[in-house]
Amino acid sequence: EAGVAQSPRYKIIEKRQSVAFWCNPISGHATLYWYQQILGQGPKLLIQFQNNGVVDDSQLPKDRFSAERLKGVDSTLKIQPAKLEDSAVYLCASSSGQNQPQHFGDGTRLSIL
Amino acid sequence: AQTVTQSQPEMSVQEAETVTLSCTYDTSESNYYLFWYKQPPSRQMILVIRQEAYKQQNATENRFSVNFQKAAKSFSLKISDSQLGDTAMYFCASSGTYKYIFGTGTRLKVLA
Repeated sequence: EAGVAQSPRYKIIEKRQSVAFWCNPISGHATLYWYQQILGQGPKLLIQFQNNGVVDDSQLPKDRFSAERLKGVDSTLKIQPAKLEDSAVYLCASSSGQNQPQHFGDGTRLSIL
Repeated sequence: AQTVTQSQPEMSVQEAETVTLSCTYDTSESNYYLFWYKQPPSRQMILVIRQEAYKQQNATENRFSVNFQKAAKSFSLKISDSQLGDTAMYFCASSGTYKYIFGTGTRLKVLA
């Protein structure tokens, strides 16, 4: 089966600019996660979708981050405006259910200048 | 609150030896799952092993096994016959009704 697809792989922007990431989960996976992984740290959950509904976005900085999952399949994560501390790898993962193993994409490495 | 703690930031092991990575967790849920994930350098995060909390038997997956001590809220990973390809960051994670929490990771280096 095809894995979780993410794009772009790398992105460099200046602070205060906007950026968007895209994720296509494994076919049939109802649960989709976005994580922020700062260098040397574990992944921090930003938002979790169940189909196209939000299950948990308690750690999403809603003043600058937004995410959507149209039609319960693909998802986009947006940052506007970006800050220096947003430099990180943004991981997308999907699973067939809440307590099932997650399948991760390659991530998008974001650098803010 | 749900927490996962990995107290060993870095470890090393000689090839073919056995190493144990520690993880402790806390949760108020009665039905939860525990995971170990592996993230090789510049590569995707992948699942190593999963343990269902209601099962007393420790999970095993080839050279990887866990020591699940429910009362102590401990979930350690044992890697037997370590191989160079086991060099990676290892993350412990717990999953409950709504939350999926990762620990801070242990960087394991297997030495030739």
